[in-house]
Amino acid sequence: AQTVTQSQPEMSVQEAETVTLSCTYDTSESDYYLFWYKQPPSRQMILVIRQEAYKQQNATENRFSVNFQKAAKSFSLKISDSQLGDAAMYFCAYRSLMDSNYQLIWGAGTKLIIKP
Amino acid sequence: EAQVTQNPRYLITVTGKKLTVTCSQNMNHEYMSWYRQDPGLGLRQIYYSMNVEVTDKGDVPEGYKVSRKEKRNFPLILESPSPNQTSLYFCASSFTGDTQYFGPGTRLTVL
Repeated sequence: AQTVTQSQPEMSVQEAETVTLSCTYDTSESDYYLFWYKQPPSRQMILVIRQEAYKQQNATENRFSVNFQKAAKSFSLKISDSQLGDAAMYFCAYRSLMDSNYQLIWGAGTKLIIKP
Repeated sequence: EAQVTQNPRYLITVTGKKLTVTCSQNMNHEYMSWYRQDPGLGLRQIYYSMNVEVTDKGDVPEGYKVSRKEKRNFPLILESPSPNQTSLYFCASSFTGDTQYFGPGTRLTVL
């Protein structure tokens, strides 16, 4: 079974600086999706970024980018120019392309604190 | 506006009193799913539906029921809630299964 591990329960960063959140996963599959979701205090689960495993190029969305290392099974999220609105729980999630239920396998989350 | 809605957002109930949490999406998505979120455990899938009248169990289906009579709605039913079902519940939908869009969550407390 696939697992997703986020080893940093909490991270803090100074406003305007860069922070990287770690995620590792375990799978024997070659095709899958990886996601980062953000959960602010409002509890809404918001998609930040998505990576297809077959793509070598790292996904980027404005200030958010990933470092996808397929061989190492690592999928870190880099947030540049951190803003107060980035404060949230961040979850890494995995979706197998083999499972017909489209289930997302989730990490336990990393709480990101932004210091003004 | 494309969205997934859930109602109620907050619910406090007592053990054994049947309840339904509604979920509706306006994106014409075929796939819908229910998750529960508990501290330190991330999200766990309860039930999912690939299309109308097609539903199946996720990882933690015990104590829950669902139905999918129409494409846009996917209610979650707790026939006899118990305190261990106190949790934050999310409904999600997806067109092709690659990206799931989540509702705002329902905070359920069972006394």
